[in-house]
Amino acid sequence: QSVLTQAPSVSGAPGQRVAISCTGSGSNIGAGYDVQWYQQLPGTAPKLLIFGKTQRASGVPDRFSGSSSGTSASLAITGLRAEDEADYFCQSYDSSLSGYVFGTGTTVTVL
Amino acid sequence: EVQLLQSGAALKKPGESLRISCKISEFTFDDYWIGWVRQRPGKGLEWMGVVYPSDSDIRYSPSFQGQVTMSADKSINTAYLQWSGLKASDTATYYCASRGDGDFYYGLDVWGHGTTVTVSS
Repeated sequence: QSVLTQAPSVSGAPGQRVAISCTGSGSNIGAGYDVQWYQQLPGTAPKLLIFGKTQRASGVPDRFSGSSSGTSASLAITGLRAEDEADYFCQSYDSSLSGYVFGTGTTVTVL
Repeated sequence: EVQLLQSGAALKKPGESLRISCKISEFTFDDYWIGWVRQRPGKGLEWMGVVYPSDSDIRYSPSFQGQVTMSADKSINTAYLQWSGLKASDTATYYCASRGDGDFYYGLDVWGHGTTVTVSS
């Protein structure tokens, strides 16, 4: 089962801002391990958006931003566009599991 | 640019064996690693574990220990994931993935296209 918890879905109108939260614990995000965010379009492999909590991967527009505090992290999408409709997953390292953990995933819908 | 090329889709019966592969184009350093990720239909991503081809060190996620076998052949730059007795619950898409600069804690920026495994009688 997933160790990182995300809301199942969020939605917003074009141009609006949405935020996706990712809640972990003291053995992963709370321990200071980096948080990554991935975007997965239907039928395709996940794509890295954010790494190291706040750094955008190559080619990712600055509409996407990441933040982290305590045992949680967040991905914000500003200026929402139709092509942002996708599933989004957070990911970190967990010291008790000695490996990666993924979030439960959030589906973003553009109204 | 690093690329990961995965083997094609597989349709198997329960109890059968299977090995899928992930061919690695060139990393510029020896101590790269390959991770495996499972995604069941309509579900999220699950970390299965990681293999280091340079010394065949393998670290399984507790959920997958004993359920699958990971391996790698450094001489042909290929990583493998295999099952000895498939179950219907193994039906999923399996991704191999890594990071181009090798920094394990910065996540996965290189992904294979995925291998869909269907187990059905």
